Amino acid sequence: NAGVTQTPKFQVLKTGQSMTLQCAQDMNHNSMYWYRQDPGMGLRLIYYSASEGTTDKGEVPNGYNVSRLNKREFSLRLESAAPSQTSVYFCATERDGLSGNTIYFGEGSWLTVV
Amino acid sequence: QKEVEQNSGPLSVPEGAIASLNCTYSDRGSQSFFWYRQYSGKSPELIMSIYSNGDKEDGRFTAQLNKASQYVSLLIRDSQPSDSATYLCAVSPGANSKLTFGKGITLSVRP
Repeated sequence: NAGVTQTPKFQVLKTGQSMTLQCAQDMNHNSMYWYRQDPGMGLRLIYYSASEGTTDKGEVPNGYNVSRLNKREFSLRLESAAPSQTSVYFCATERDGLSGNTIYFGEGSWLTVV
Repeated sequence: QKEVEQNSGPLSVPEGAIASLNCTYSDRGSQSFFWYRQYSGKSPELIMSIYSNGDKEDGRFTAQLNKASQYVSLLIRDSQPSDSATYLCAVSPGANSKLTFGKGITLSVRP
């Protein structure tokens, strides 16, 4: 049982290049999220998807696009990478509980933009 | 803007001591409260959730919630070096709602 799988784990990009971070889950959860984590800034939500085919902006969506083509997969795309997008990116899924949320995180993707 | 504030830290305690981590939140309508632990270079993992006022104990961990004062805390008894990590507080308005995370506090347990 892999849980939440992110690829790639490490990536170096040049400014202006594009790339897609892939996320797949085998937990049958409806909701999926992309966060970025920067030193001193905590976890900030980029985009989320409450269900297959739907996506919504989070706190810091600029410079990113997402795609939720099926229940398992939620990808994050950087169309034209900038050094400010150097960060650790976490994909997460949510178990829909009666009293709140339990978030399960992938192992993270370390992205450096030079 | 919903905010979750944690002490800036870092926090250093000797092995065997009680570590007290605090968190305040701005949204009075918040219903669900979580503590995540994150080891360096790893992803966050859920260690405690609390939904009602009072204390909730799980092994060496106790979460305390006071909705009137809008704070939630995490106590770690008999702290171990393996508890050294960053602890993230997260708050949600309720079921099926997005979490807001604090910036985290780094705990160091000295042998």
